[in-house]
Amino acid sequence: SQQGEEDPQALSIQEGENATMNCSYKTSINNLQWYRQNSGRGLVHLILIRSNEREKHSGRLRVTLDTSKKSSSLLITASRAADTASYFCATDRSGSEKLVFGKGTKLTVNP
Amino acid sequence: GAGVSQSPRYKVAKRGQDVALRCDPISGHVSLFWYQQALGQGPEFLTYFQNEAQLDKSGLPSDRFFAERPEGSVSTLKIQRTQQEDSAVYLCASRAMGGTNTEAFFGQGTRLTVV
Repeated sequence: SQQGEEDPQALSIQEGENATMNCSYKTSINNLQWYRQNSGRGLVHLILIRSNEREKHSGRLRVTLDTSKKSSSLLITASRAADTASYFCATDRSGSEKLVFGKGTKLTVNP
Repeated sequence: GAGVSQSPRYKVAKRGQDVALRCDPISGHVSLFWYQQALGQGPEFLTYFQNEAQLDKSGLPSDRFFAERPEGSVSTLKIQRTQQEDSAVYLCASRAMGGTNTEAFFGQGTRLTVV
């Protein structure tokens, strides 16, 4: 069963706006990862944040992690039409190497 | 190869037919994972190998599903007597040695349609 729960399930914004997606999880983790999936394609890794980190940046991406609330957020700044995709969080749980994915947020960036 | 390769990309099977899906992981990657993704859902874990050892198969939905990685490289996911509910995209991923705190690399997936 899926552990992560993203919200919102769908998000539609205009180009140039920021997009924020949230993820909640249930168990202790080693790290939390965000992936992107274009329609009909495989998943592409975006960013990994370890359990002892609180914030991480990569280009236009900013990820936060609050282990006390078991939640994470992904912020995409200055969005582009090419950012249109589904975004998934995945947790790397303590004692297990498998990644457990949420149901994803479908982001649409309108030009 | 440069990335994780899966074949075939698309497979249409008649109900009751057996299918075999292939995954070529990134060379040298110790860990290999299979996921099932239904339309509009996130990937669901099926099974995981470390080299040739299948360490976790807790996600396999029934005994019709079988996975192997005999030489610790290429893996095959076999589904026997396919049912319509098996229709999904099957994703393979690999991770380097010391897999935790590393990213997983995914293949493009095999879209299985059972008619």
